[in-house]
Amino acid sequence: DAKTTQPPSMDCAEGRAANLPCNHSTISGNEYVYWYRQIHSQGPQYIIHGLKNNETNEMASLIITEDRKSSTLILPHATLRDTAVYYCIVRVEGGGADGLTFGKGTHLIIQP
Amino acid sequence: DTGVSQDPRHKITKRGQNVTFRCDPISEHNRLYWYRQTLGQGPEFLTYFQNEAQLEKSRLLSDRFSAERPKGSFSTLEIQRTEQGDSAMYLCASSPLGRSRETQYFGPGTRLLVL
Repeated sequence: DAKTTQPPSMDCAEGRAANLPCNHSTISGNEYVYWYRQIHSQGPQYIIHGLKNNETNEMASLIITEDRKSSTLILPHATLRDTAVYYCIVRVEGGGADGLTFGKGTHLIIQP
Repeated sequence: DTGVSQDPRHKITKRGQNVTFRCDPISEHNRLYWYRQTLGQGPEFLTYFQNEAQLEKSRLLSDRFSAERPKGSFSTLEIQRTEQGDSAMYLCASSPLGRSRETQYFGPGTRLLVL
């Protein structure tokens, strides 16, 4: 799996858009970008994933640059409940039987 | 609540004792994963089941650890002769066939403290 780089922490004001960057400059053509988050004392929660097109669901939007070397997870209207550690994972879909490789992620703190 | 449950939620034990954790995945999910998470780190993969078959084990899974999934339903993770370094959150996740293996649903975890 390609390596990812994320800032260790970020702040965002409640009600504003939270933009979480992820660098994956060594991503290969068949690797997807996955995002999970982990709220304190809970298990990780799947958010979204994409290959090269931008993706949107009820939780977030994923913007992948044209060269696919970086991506941004966007939470459009952040709430206090969005305070969590956000993990960016790059992986071939269905590749291998082993589990996900989580880094240290970005600790996003939503300020009231 | 994802529908994946784990029991117990917390366990305190003394070094050298055996402990067993249980995971009940979402009923129609045939893939089941165990992870371990220490403070300040992301989860680390331990092992993977497809139905009752254990298909993958991480090198982190020492011979003191054993996992089972009889009948392809619930799973148990046993740690024998616990050590203080085993103190961690143990997470279970499941995913269905027909969806990306990477879209996993995690339980709340079992927090183990070895004294």
